[in-house]
Amino acid sequence: GDSVTQMEGPVTLSEEAFLTINCTYTATGYPSLFWYVQYPGEGLQLLLKATKADDKGSNKGFEATYRKETTSFHLEKGSVQVSDSAVYFCALSDGGGSQGNLIFGKGTKLSVKP
Amino acid sequence: DSGVTQTPKHLITATGQRVTLRCSPRSGDLSVYWYQQSLDQGLQFLIQYYNGEERAKGNILERFSAQQFPDLHSELNLSSLELGDSALYFCASSVESGGGTYEQYFGPGTRLTVT
Repeated sequence: GDSVTQMEGPVTLSEEAFLTINCTYTATGYPSLFWYVQYPGEGLQLLLKATKADDKGSNKGFEATYRKETTSFHLEKGSVQVSDSAVYFCALSDGGGSQGNLIFGKGTKLSVKP
Repeated sequence: DSGVTQTPKHLITATGQRVTLRCSPRSGDLSVYWYQQSLDQGLQFLIQYYNGEERAKGNILERFSAQQFPDLHSELNLSSLELGDSALYFCASSVESGGGTYEQYFGPGTRLTVT
């Protein structure tokens, strides 16, 4: 079945460092891809999405590009802030008959030190 | 604030008991999804309802059931609770954002502790 694999954390960075969180997926169809963020004690928030190959999703300085050839959707940010400390989840949805049910990776915890 | 509300925020109960978790979707969203987040299993899809009808089932145990009411709020019922059912339970509602893609908006979750 469909699955998502993302790098395990925790990831610890200094403020203003470059961030990459790797995410690869396995899917039989053409899924939509998402990054969600979970701040401590809160629910998940949609960070960005991409719906087809070569689409780039971006939000709040974060970017991810849908790469069909490498089945990847890596999350990047050029300069992280302490406020970016959270758990990041990569997810896919094959839409269609499943009506958008999300399959999540295990999450990557990011800690940014001042 | 996503607009999705869940009650209660915390729930502590004993093994063998039954509990009901409640979710109100965002205004206008017809779909409701339930997810379980646990340390060992991660985030897992349980079940989806669309406008009162069950639409999809994931890794939901037979001891668990859900329903969506005419006002579109949903309830997740967990019975014969076991220690392993302790987890965060999230509800999400969705809107189609075009091309068959659904953006899901999550509630703050209910933390269930079974003792």
